[in-house]
Amino acid sequence: NAGVTQTPKFQVLKTGQSMTLQCAQDMNHNSMYWYRQDPGMGLRLIYYSASEGTTDKGEVPNGYNVSRLNKREFSLRLESAAPSQTSVYFCASSEATGDAPLHFGNGTRLTVT
Amino acid sequence: LAKTTQPISMDSYEGQEVNITCSHNNIATNDYITWYQQFPSQGPRFIIQGYKTKVTNEVASLFIPADRKSSTLSLPRVSLSDTAVYYCLVGDEGKDTGRRALTFGSGTRLQVQP
Repeated sequence: NAGVTQTPKFQVLKTGQSMTLQCAQDMNHNSMYWYRQDPGMGLRLIYYSASEGTTDKGEVPNGYNVSRLNKREFSLRLESAAPSQTSVYFCASSEATGDAPLHFGNGTRLTVT
Repeated sequence: LAKTTQPISMDSYEGQEVNITCSHNNIATNDYITWYQQFPSQGPRFIIQGYKTKVTNEVASLFIPADRKSSTLSLPRVSLSDTAVYYCLVGDEGKDTGRRALTFGSGTRLQVQP
C-alpha cells in the first residue's frame, strides 16, 4: 500500500519550459489536491479536485493547469515555467473535501532557472 | 474565509508537555479543527482532529473551548523526534463552487532540546 505517489522527486527546468507533475493514490479517495511550499513557508493550495471529473482553483492557481485523469490520478502542468514557480510541490488525497484528513505524498522539488 | 493564527516558533526540552494554541476567530459552524505535523523534506502528516471540547489519541490531545475561536494542541512529554512544524487548519469554502478544502497557515516551528 503506497499511499500517495509523486513523480518525479526532483526536476530542474529552464524558464519557459513546460512539464507535468504526476500524482497517484491507491486509497480509493474521492478528493485530490496540489499544494506548493516555498522555503520557510506554509503550504498554499493550487488546485483541488473534489471528485473525478471536477477541478477547482485554490489560493494560487495562476500559471498552472490540472487534470483529474481518473479517480487515482491528478496531474499538475506548468505550461511555461517561471522562476517564481521554484518550490516544493505536494500532492494529497482525502475521502472528501472539507475536513477529511489529508494524506500527502513526499513532494516534488522543482527549480526553475 | 477562515484563517488561523499560530505562534511562529516554540522551544521546549525533552520530557516537557508542549501546548500550541491556534486562533481561528471566523470559524464556521460546521468546521472541524485539524492539526498536522511536518518534518523536513516530507509531506505533512495528520495528527488529530476535533469539533468541540476535548479529543485525545495516542499522539496528542486537542482542547477546544465552547466558543471554538481557538484550539490548543497538547503534546505530552515531547522527545527530540517531535521537532517539526505543526499546522492548525480549518476548512475554507471555494469562491465559485462552495466546495471546501483545507488551507494551511505558516505553522509553528517546534524545537525540542535535549
